[in-house]
Amino acid sequence: AQSVTQLGSHVSVSEGALVLLRCNYSSSVPPYLFWYVQYPNQGLQLLLKYTTGATLVKGINGFEAEFKKSETSFHLTKPSAHMSDAAEYFCAVTDSGGSYIPTFGRGTSLIVHP
Amino acid sequence: EAQVTQNPRYLITVTGKKLTVTCSQNMNHEYMSWYRQDPGLGLRQIYYSMNVEVTDKGDVPEGYKVSRKEKRNFPLILESPSPNQTSLYFCASRPQGAQWGNEKLFFGSGTQLSVL
Repeated sequence: AQSVTQLGSHVSVSEGALVLLRCNYSSSVPPYLFWYVQYPNQGLQLLLKYTTGATLVKGINGFEAEFKKSETSFHLTKPSAHMSDAAEYFCAVTDSGGSYIPTFGRGTSLIVHP
Repeated sequence: EAQVTQNPRYLITVTGKKLTVTCSQNMNHEYMSWYRQDPGLGLRQIYYSMNVEVTDKGDVPEGYKVSRKEKRNFPLILESPSPNQTSLYFCASRPQGAQWGNEKLFFGSGTQLSVL
């Protein structure tokens, strides 16, 4: 069985500060890992994903995430927060050897202060 | 334009009055799924479907029904809604199969349901 843990239901940063959203996963087989973003009153959209190969993946809007197998982590970062980054962020895992049904974390709400 | 369309966007109903939330995708995707989103609980899967006439329970299926008679449509049915089903609902789709396991989910815009 696979699972995802997102540490911190809310993360608050100042505009221009580093954004770090944490995601840890468990999976019995090599995982596919995703970050989705949900802006207010919208559905979820893909921010970035890791499948195979390079462990540092870059996504839209300056976000990136690094797959660390030894730490079973896939933390999301952005060097400098912008007001428009305020949203709900979801980490998800899909196992690479089964039904490919994704499991989502509980989400982290990013609050950006001026 | 590739999209997942949910209707209605907002719905207010009363306890026990049957309702259906529709979901349609135009991408010929095999996999479709329903989620509910509640504060502090994130996204929880209600039902999913791997293909036409193939449906399966997710994590929170109680009180819901689904059907998959056509590839493009995956309606969510609440036969006797209760207040604890007040939530934000999302439909999602994706191609299914080993070659698509790393593909993203395409989400609808959501349906905000209030059961009084």
